[in-house]
Amino acid sequence: DQQVKQNSPSLSVQEGRISILNCDYTNSMFDYFLWYKKYPAEGPTFLISISSIKDKNEDGRFTVFLNKSAKHLSLHIVPSQPGDSAVYFCAASEGTGRRALTFGSGTRLQVQP
Amino acid sequence: DTGVSQNPRHKITKRGQNVTFRCDPISEHNRLYWYRQTLGQGPEFLTYFQNEAQLEKSRLLSDRFSAERPKGSFSTLEIQRTEQGDSAMYLCASSFAGREPQHFGDGTRLSIL
Repeated sequence: DQQVKQNSPSLSVQEGRISILNCDYTNSMFDYFLWYKKYPAEGPTFLISISSIKDKNEDGRFTVFLNKSAKHLSLHIVPSQPGDSAVYFCAASEGTGRRALTFGSGTRLQVQP
Repeated sequence: DTGVSQNPRHKITKRGQNVTFRCDPISEHNRLYWYRQTLGQGPEFLTYFQNEAQLEKSRLLSDRFSAERPKGSFSTLEIQRTEQGDSAMYLCASSFAGREPQHFGDGTRLSIL
């Protein structure tokens, strides 16, 4: 039973355009959400996070939106750059004290020059 | 600033052998996590420590797996009597309790012949 789902295995965008990566979750106890980026042969690198008390968090070119009623979050990258090409993982955790992360299966983003 | 360090980076062994991996977290971090990642999937939680106490273990952590963090610093993950299905990337992450996010190492890739 996948509690965090990333339904698009891959996404291709042109340099300078917006990249939108989507993530859905089923566990209503999740209250903290994160996006990680992963290059080949490296571990996941933290990008941005959002608490369930917010609906938007922005950090430079990266913005995460949370829609709790739809159990949906998205990551917007504007403008997209070739160096953003990587696999992006959505992750979630529930409750204070329990911070084990549940990950989606990832979306491979390719930014074309 | 040294990040999370994992050794070895790659381990090849025959089925039935025992293997041990090491993780050195970021020095001030008191929480340490182990995850496993197989091809095409996101990382899956195995276990986590706060200081030297092992606070949670996933159902994925069969009795062939054991993890320790004897002095609350580095951790080891041992797999006894390895099986083909143990082939995966084993990732370690650390954080400071109450201050997310988790920071990941580059993992140990285990290949079972």
